[in-house]
Amino acid sequence: QSVLTQPPSASGTPGQRVTISCSGSSSNIGSNYVYWYQQLPGTAPKLLIYRNNQRPSGVPDRFSGSRSGTSASLAISGLRSEDEADYYCAAWDDSLSGHWVFGGGTKLTVL
Amino acid sequence: EVQLVESGGGLVQPGGSLRLSCAASGFTFSNYWMHWVRQAPGKGLVWVSRINSDGSDTRYADSVKGRFTISRDNAKNTLYLQMNSLRVEDTAVYYCARVEDYWGQGTLVTVSS
Repeated sequence: QSVLTQPPSASGTPGQRVTISCSGSSSNIGSNYVYWYQQLPGTAPKLLIYRNNQRPSGVPDRFSGSRSGTSASLAISGLRSEDEADYYCAAWDDSLSGHWVFGGGTKLTVL
Repeated sequence: EVQLVESGGGLVQPGGSLRLSCAASGFTFSNYWMHWVRQAPGKGLVWVSRINSDGSDTRYADSVKGRFTISRDNAKNTLYLQMNSLRVEDTAVYYCARVEDYWGQGTLVTVSS
């Protein structure tokens, strides 16, 4: 059981916009930045969004993040076949002297 | 270029031990807290342990507390994870990470008889 809650799956057709939600609590998302990662099969997680809504260089502006209260979301616009991957949210949690918590991951399928 | 390169994974029997290493380069290693995160086959990411920049403070997930020990050698730019009393459920890819930005490629630990 992950501390952050994500839907297990999401899907869309090429060109569509999809969103993935991430729900937490006051000790994590409610008081700390949210991060999003993309993970392709057999590879390490790749940072997509940091500090709620910032994109690292090289990440297309089709990817965007937002946070409101104790929830966050990742939006992917202009969906492409290469976006098919697992997506994880993460946040620092202030409980237990501080540690990272993750969502259970969302498998995105491009139909 | 920041690089984190893990090593030391492999097949071990239940009750056995392994030591993972993570060689860091491309940044001032001694300035950063470091973490180990694991991912069981087909499952999600789970935080395992963290260590502060000078190694004086460490924390562990309840599932590994008392069995795993995180440490670092800032002179060698290397992070370690000593894993003792390994269990089948410890089978996973173990990532060394700054989490908020850079991750290693991971090293697979398989605990099986």
